[in-house]
Amino acid sequence: AQSVSQHNHHVILSEAASLELGCNYSYGGTVNLFWYVQYPGQHLQLLLKYFSGDPLVKGIKGFEAEFIKSKFSFNLRKPSVQWSDTAEYFCAVSMGYKYIFGTGTRLKVLA
Amino acid sequence: GAVVSQHPSRVICKSGTSVKIECRSLDFQATTMFWYRQFPKQSLMLMATSNEGSKATYEQGVEKDKFLINHASLTLSTLTVTSAHPEDSSFYICSAGIDRVAKNIQYFGAGTRLSVL
Repeated sequence: AQSVSQHNHHVILSEAASLELGCNYSYGGTVNLFWYVQYPGQHLQLLLKYFSGDPLVKGIKGFEAEFIKSKFSFNLRKPSVQWSDTAEYFCAVSMGYKYIFGTGTRLKVLA
Repeated sequence: GAVVSQHPSRVICKSGTSVKIECRSLDFQATTMFWYRQFPKQSLMLMATSNEGSKATYEQGVEKDKFLINHASLTLSTLTVTSAHPEDSSFYICSAGIDRVAKNIQYFGAGTRLSVL
């Protein structure tokens, strides 16, 4: 069965530290890849997406992700986090219309 | 744009009662709507997919008679948890998709926390 793994469940960083959140999926076919963010008390918001083309994708708020097909990975990065990045981050893979989500990573940024 | 409203945000009910959750796409017509369930510290699990005017497609293991889904218009889908029991307590999230083809992007509601006493 298809699955999405997020390796880090909880991450704590100080402001200005660099961030990398891992995401791996298991599916051999064509996929579309997403990162969503959920700020406390708010709904899931799309950070960035990959459909095709340049494997390095830039999203909102300074986030980027790199699709490495050979590693089935789509890791999220940000060079310098801010306190306001404190949130839960979900990686998702879609095959057609159906999404499969990872378990999420709770990021806490210390001011 | 692409705002999805979900109501109510929180509901507490007695065991045996039914609860209806609404999901509306406010500024676009959603060809497909999705219902997810999220257990504490776990991922979002897709429960069912609904297309306007047709019966919902339920994921394996989801009881269609317990979780009734109606998608009467392109902007409204409802999930009714019938005869709710404490084990139905969870966080329910809806989403709406704009495109039927492979590049579907889903926009999410804020979720409904259901507590069954």
